Amino acid sequence: GAVVSQHPSRVICKSGTSVKIECRSLDFQATTMFWYRQFPKQSLMLMATSNEGSKATYEQGVEKDKFLINHASLTLSTLTVTSAHPEDSSFYICSAAHQETQYFGPGTRLLVL
Amino acid sequence: DQQVKQNSPSLSVQEGRISILNCDYTNSMFDYFLWYKKYPAEGPTFLISISSIKDKNEDGRFTVFLNKSAKHLSLHIVPSQPGDSAVYFCAAHFSGTYKYIFGTGTRLKVLA
Repeated sequence: GAVVSQHPSRVICKSGTSVKIECRSLDFQATTMFWYRQFPKQSLMLMATSNEGSKATYEQGVEKDKFLINHASLTLSTLTVTSAHPEDSSFYICSAAHQETQYFGPGTRLLVL
Repeated sequence: DQQVKQNSPSLSVQEGRISILNCDYTNSMFDYFLWYKKYPAEGPTFLISISSIKDKNEDGRFTVFLNKSAKHLSLHIVPSQPGDSAVYFCAAHFSGTYKYIFGTGTRLKVLA
């Protein structure tokens, strides 16, 4: 149990375009989901906390207008990287909270050309 | 300020021996700790957790020890297997919140 999926697993896009990443909890409902970013050989950096039915809470230094988060249902949160630039290239990971534990998706590798 | 620290960036252990991964924290208000395992280009996988009211939790080959006075926790893997080779993250959070503070990770390599 406690499986979280992410789609797509890998995406390449041109600079200036927007990319949407989906995060789904497959066998449980999650009122809270999280979005992380991981740079090579570094720890997971929390970007924002996504709460179902309300606005996301962004960490300091994360642009909310650039990283749009929507948590429209108890099993789905989306992260949209708007007007992507090469510096947005990274590994994005979501997690869903369930019984005191976060369960992570497999991650999405974004490459902006 | 790094509230959760993993001071060893890497560790090599022979197959069959014990792997000990360490984690230190600074905030005594943390009340729940977890260990995750991560392979490259994948999301972290939950391994084991421990509440601050306990000092030990065991699950198969994995045991987590918590020393509150020293603000230190460790993960023991016995016996270590080549498939255990991965990056291990410890994480801490406060009761009533799911927001985790992650350590920087320790890369474990189990040698066959």
